[in-house]
Amino acid sequence: AQSVSQHNHHVILSEAASLELGCNYSYGGTVNLFWYVQYPGQHLQLLLKYFSGDPLVKGIKGFEAEFIKSKFSFNLRKPSVQWSDTAEYFCAVNPVTPGGKLIFGQGTELSVKP
Amino acid sequence: GAVVSQHPSRVICKSGTSVKIECRSLDFQATTMFWYRQFPKQSLMLMATSNEGSKATYEQGVEKDKFLINHASLTLSTLTVTSAHPEDSSFYICSASVVGYNEQFFGPGTRLTVL
Repeated sequence: AQSVSQHNHHVILSEAASLELGCNYSYGGTVNLFWYVQYPGQHLQLLLKYFSGDPLVKGIKGFEAEFIKSKFSFNLRKPSVQWSDTAEYFCAVNPVTPGGKLIFGQGTELSVKP
Repeated sequence: GAVVSQHPSRVICKSGTSVKIECRSLDFQATTMFWYRQFPKQSLMLMATSNEGSKATYEQGVEKDKFLINHASLTLSTLTVTSAHPEDSSFYICSASVVGYNEQFFGPGTRLTVL
């Protein structure tokens, strides 16, 4: 079965630290890839997405992600986190196939200490 | 653009009653709407996919008689939790998409608490 794995359940960082959240998926075909953020008490917001082209994708709020096809990975990065980045982060994968559904990872809770 | 709303945002009901949750695409016509369930500290689990004018397609393990989905128009889908029980308490999130556009737009979610 297709699955998405986020390796870190809870990450605690100090402000200005660099961030990298891991995401791996299991599907051998073409995929669309997404990172969503859910701030406390708010709804899911799209951070960035990859469909094709340059595997290094820039998103909002200084986030970026790199698609490494050979590793089935789509890790999220930010060079310097802020307290306001405290949130839950979800990686999601959409296999490009008829009936392909959006499959979410289990989420990573990021806590940034001021 | 691409705003999805849900109503109500929170609902508390007694065990055995039914609750209806609405999902609306405010500024676009959604050919497909999705319903997810999210337990605390867990990921989103797809419950069902609905296309306008068609019966919803439910994921394995989701009781279609308990979670009734109606997608009567291109801007509205409803999820009715029938005969709700405390174990149905959860965060229900809908999303909407347009055919040929590889992205879903998410609603703010509805927190259901069944007493």
